[in-house]
Amino acid sequence: ETGVTQSPTHLIKTRGQQVTLRCSSQSGHNTVSWYQQALGQGPQFIFQYYREEENGRGNFPPRFSGLQFPNYSSELNVNALELDDSALYLCASGGTASTDTQYFGPGTRLTVL
Amino acid sequence: QQQVKQSPQSLIVQKGGISIINCAYENTAFDYFPWYQQFPGKGPALLIAIRPDVSEKKEGRFTISFNKSAKQFSLHIMDSQPGDSATYFCAASKSGFQKLVFGTGTRLLVSP
Repeated sequence: ETGVTQSPTHLIKTRGQQVTLRCSSQSGHNTVSWYQQALGQGPQFIFQYYREEENGRGNFPPRFSGLQFPNYSSELNVNALELDDSALYLCASGGTASTDTQYFGPGTRLTVL
Repeated sequence: QQQVKQSPQSLIVQKGGISIINCAYENTAFDYFPWYQQFPGKGPALLIAIRPDVSEKKEGRFTISFNKSAKQFSLHIMDSQPGDSATYFCAASKSGFQKLVFGTGTRLLVSP
């Protein structure tokens, strides 16, 4: 077990809705990254937060946003859901911003209808 | 632009055999290369990682071989077991940035 938890496990939404996914990182880990994994693909980096500030972003539109809280929890928010947003969303926690090792949670499976 | 290419897409190995998965990267700024194992419905789990200052790293039955000049690295699973059946991802990142770029994955099936 990595000590990284995510909720909910599964989620079904309709196109145009908004969704919030949650992650609880390992205690003491100041960085959290979010990844999108489409079926049969490798995870794609969405963004990273370090000490509650966004610290890097992948090629995702602004309707993907996040928050990180002082208690090692974080959120991924997606507005105006599209069918292509259907994927497994993974959060990964690391130590400091200079630590390379990341530990992934089990993911949230989002289905957009 | 895919920056990490992984092959083969799928692999079937007999129990006790050697599984070999290959990856190639393009960005010479990458200096951290982990391998992840993922079972269905689970998140990726870190198996082993290497940096360019060594050509090989071994942990138990898992070995990474790294060729800096060719910009290639590979995972060898010795004495493959049915429990190793999973999808394996190589990844790369620039040290200190934690932005992992993943390969497309290899689905390994170890037959009994």
